[in-house]
Amino acid sequence: QVQVQQSGPRLVKPSQTLSLTCAVSGDSVSSNSGVWNWIRQSPSRGLEWLGRTYYRSKWYDDYAVSVKSRVTINPDTSKNQFSLQLNSVTPEDTAVYYCAKGNYAFDIWGQGTMVTVSS
Amino acid sequence: QSALTQPASVSGSPGQSITISCTGTSSDVGSYNLVSWYQQQPGKAPKLIIHEGTKRPSGVSNRFSGSKSGNTASLTISGLQAEDEADYYCCSYAGSIIFDVMFGGGTKLIVL
Repeated sequence: QVQVQQSGPRLVKPSQTLSLTCAVSGDSVSSNSGVWNWIRQSPSRGLEWLGRTYYRSKWYDDYAVSVKSRVTINPDTSKNQFSLQLNSVTPEDTAVYYCAKGNYAFDIWGQGTMVTVSS
Repeated sequence: QSALTQPASVSGSPGQSITISCTGTSSDVGSYNLVSWYQQQPGKAPKLIIHEGTKRPSGVSNRFSGSKSGNTASLTISGLQAEDEADYYCCSYAGSIIFDVMFGGGTKLIVL
């Protein structure tokens, strides 16, 4: 069955870049049916979709308006994984970050990574 | 865009049925049959229990059902069990020109 496993640092300093990786097993990140997302959850903002990447003969991505100027989601086909980069972080970016598979609905979730933005 | 509106909490006794509402607008819930529902136990990732408004993924109990009327989607849980106590979130496609999804604020289900 499809599984996703997250990794990355749990503490990031303000103004720096948050980077997380999501390794995919049981599916290919470059399949023509998969859609790969990043979602975060915090007490103040609730669940918030951040963006997605997917392959349909070429790579596409979409981002939430709230983070569009700061976020990049990239596939890595050689390692069958995808990553999240969020630039210029502030304490408001402190949250549990999830990677998830799905288009319109998210049926496979990573275990979650609690990322704290603090000096 | 504002999050979808859910009640903060609902409660029910074992064996009873409860319904959780999720109110959006004509730009999201009202325009698409693309509402999904998630169950989240403490310290765990959300679990998909309803997609496309009414469809249950394989393995999800048929005690969970979804519906929609106008701009409001609903999740009904029948035959409440203690293990159903959790947070529940709705989610809707909200894009037209650009892709976007939004979540509700979540509802705490208390099984009395």
